[in-house]
Amino acid sequence: DVKVTQSSRYLVKRTGEKVFLECVQDMDHENMFWYRQDPGLGLRLIYFSYDVKMKEKGDIPEGYSVSREKKERFSLILESASTNQTSMYLCASSATGKNTEAFFGQGTRLTVV
Amino acid sequence: GQSLEQPSEVTAVEGAIVQINCTYQTSGFYGLSWYQQHDGGAPTFLSYNALDGLEETGRFSSFLSRSDSYGYLLLQELQMKDSASYFCAVRVYGQNFVFGPGTRLSVLP
Repeated sequence: DVKVTQSSRYLVKRTGEKVFLECVQDMDHENMFWYRQDPGLGLRLIYFSYDVKMKEKGDIPEGYSVSREKKERFSLILESASTNQTSMYLCASSATGKNTEAFFGQGTRLTVV
Repeated sequence: GQSLEQPSEVTAVEGAIVQINCTYQTSGFYGLSWYQQHDGGAPTFLSYNALDGLEETGRFSSFLSRSDSYGYLLLQELQMKDSASYFCAVRVYGQNFVFGPGTRLSVLP
């Protein structure tokens, strides 16, 4: 069974903390993504990576950075957490190609207080 | 840029048929996909249209018209378990996925 695993389901962090969200996939996919999901706004792309050490900014990269040192792992970093980063964070992966689908992790509900 | 629009909510009764529309503006994409997300769960893939026309997968069908920048998801014989949010998405040429805002479907008994 294919799997995308996010390290935490729920996190509570304080304003100003550096926060790491980890994502691992076991499908040998080239592409990995971080989305943020807020009510009424759908899934907004923060960053994606199409290869190890490669990254591209999505629609809302401000306040975030990413790291992909190994093919199976993609980390999202909040450099200095703020309350407006309270959200559901979804990691996804996909193979490269026209007809491929995105496989999602269960999400991390982050609350910044 | 790319943007997709969907109705925010749809309500229907068990056994009925419901259509969820998606209109998009995008400069180039491979195809239109649909994902289902139950409350508290992860989005899961439902269907994909690379070409214009109708694709059928069991009770679900999806349609794409590139000339009209329009697609829809058709759910037949609705069941209570179909209550969920449904997202249309395009895979753009840069290989990332752009999602619509989602449509919350409520199926009533």
